[in-house]
Amino acid sequence: SQQGEEDPQALSIQEGENATMNCSYKTSINNLQWYRQNSGRGLVHLILIRSNEREKHSGRLRVTLDTSKKSSSLLITASRAADTASYFCATSFNNDMRFGAGTRLTVKP
Amino acid sequence: GAGVSQSPSNKVTEKGKDVELRCDPISGHTALYWYRQSLGQGLEFLIYFQGNSAPDKSGLPSDRFSAERTGGSVSTLTIQRTQQEDSAVYLCASSRRDRGGEQYFGPGTRLTVT
Repeated sequence: SQQGEEDPQALSIQEGENATMNCSYKTSINNLQWYRQNSGRGLVHLILIRSNEREKHSGRLRVTLDTSKKSSSLLITASRAADTASYFCATSFNNDMRFGAGTRLTVKP
Repeated sequence: GAGVSQSPSNKVTEKGKDVELRCDPISGHTALYWYRQSLGQGLEFLIYFQGNSAPDKSGLPSDRFSAERTGGSVSTLTIQRTQQEDSAVYLCASSRRDRGGEQYFGPGTRLTVT
């Protein structure tokens, strides 16, 4: 399946710590995207990394992509309580895109 | 500033009734998607529209589910003879062109079948 799989399923950290979430997939990709979801409602796009890119930054977010291992990681540095949410990776290939099951991140104040 | 909107935001219906969920995508977005999300779970893909046609409806769980899109804009997801297992949040998203780009999500419709 092309669908990404995140791990861990749940992550709990203290405010100020870094949070790392991983995504693995099985097939080729054109790009991989990370999304965030608060309170079970709409998802918000965070960052897109193309298959020929290895690393991307956006504010406190850092995404890496290793196509040889078919994996990606999302790092949130200096976490805040407001970062508490579910984070999903989505893999895109040949006009198809599928979401993983997500990682539930809790940042304790 | 128009994002993706969905209506209703919440719908409670009795088992066996039909429901219609509506999605207004961002103006000019040609691609539109419907997903379903059960409590605490990931996104389950239902159907993808490019313009008014649906090249991928592989995710529709049964023939009780159907969707249409008119004028390359508004889409309606219809669930006939609702069952309790249909209870979930139904999310709509749109994107500018094809399926591989950034998707913009609506706030979802929470459907509860009693």
